[in-house]
Formats: sequence, structure tokens, C-alpha cells
Amino acid sequence: GAVVSQHPSRVICKSGTSVKIECRSLDFQATTMFWYRQFPKKSLMLMATSNEGSKATYEQGVEKDKFLINHASLTLSTLTVTSAHPEDSSFYICSAKIYNEQFFGPGTRLTVL
Amino acid sequence: DAKTTQPPSMDCAEGRAANLPCNHSTISGNEYVYWYRQIHSQGPQYIIHGLKNNETNEMASLIITEDRKSSTLILPHATLRDTAVYYCIVRVNNAGNMLTFGGGTRLMVKP
Repeated sequence: GAVVSQHPSRVICKSGTSVKIECRSLDFQATTMFWYRQFPKKSLMLMATSNEGSKATYEQGVEKDKFLINHASLTLSTLTVTSAHPEDSSFYICSAKIYNEQFFGPGTRLTVL
Repeated sequence: DAKTTQPPSMDCAEGRAANLPCNHSTISGNEYVYWYRQIHSQGPQYIIHGLKNNETNEMASLIITEDRKSSTLILPHATLRDTAVYYCIVRVNNAGNMLTFGGGTRLMVKP
């Protein structure tokens, strides 16, 4: 299947700093990517849909000014967690869509101290 | 997308078949049944999907009842590496749809 990568795989930061997570489709172009968040022992929750060349669509309850999404090219979407706080600590997973299928990245574990 | 109901957890002995059930009684005629799994601290992995016929691939078999209100994912010879959370998702197979995850079934394969 298609390969999606994320970088970094793990990040620890201080409260108040911003963290950028990259999601790349390695062997295909994806006009649509999705960002999910997962808390321990919970299911994945969709945060936003990222469309190349346009603004992201955020799910209800997700602050767009806190979770900045940029989809500048057909192979790269970035999620920036601004002014991170401990409650933002979570596992962030992206996925990229090709045709009707979604392929997931390996996830990024964010820990905010 | 139709909602699904899965048992929260199951155990299976290594080498035996793991049968994971999923109820989707409100499934629509154009909705597919998808199965993904998530091994601890990794992204979800696609397993299999089907519309109404039974499907088999190198990973698993999918059995869908004739009324399509339930399905079973079968791992024929479970290994310790199959320990994961298994998600059953029903969705329309078109370009605009993202995957919506429910609680899944936490499968523990034991030696």
C-alpha cells in the first residue's frame, strides 16, 4: 500500500512553545489529508481535514488558531500546535487519501511538560 | 456513516483463529464494511473491506451476513503480533469520506 510518513515520531516540549508535525505521502500525491488525535486507551478522533491549496476544515470543538494546518503541496501537510499546554499531550496521527482509500502515518507522540 | 458495535476486548490463543464480530444494523446499501487495526503506538493499518460478498486476503477473511447487519473478521492463525485494537468501520466508498473510528475491539493474543 501507499506510504505515509510523519516527523518527528516523538517530541517533548515546554509549555508555551509551538510544535510542528509534518505528514508526507511518500509515493503518491494526496490532495486531501486528515489529522487525528488519540488520547491513551481512546479511539482516534478526527481533528481536521486538510486540502491542498485551501483552508483546512476543522471538526467541532477543535480550535483552528491553536492547531494550525498547512497543506502547501500535494505531498506535505503540517500541523502546528501553538502555545502548547500539558493537555495537548497526545498521539497525533495523519492520513492521506488516494482514490477512495486512506493510508495512515505512524503517528507523533507529543508530550508537553 | 452507520454506527458499529464491537466488544471492547477479546482474548485468543496463539495459533488459533480469532473471530472478531461487528454489528452494523443500520448500514445502508451503499456502505462498505472496513476493518483496520492499530498496534500499540502505531498508526492504523488497513486489513480488509467488503460490500456484501465474503472477502479474503493475505491478512484475514471478512464474513458479512446476508442481511449485511453484521460481519466477522477472521484471523485464521493468530500470532502474538496480531495483538492490537481492531476497528470495524462502515462508510460510503466515495472520495469525500474520511474514516470515523469507534471504540474497536482490543484483541489480546496469548501464548
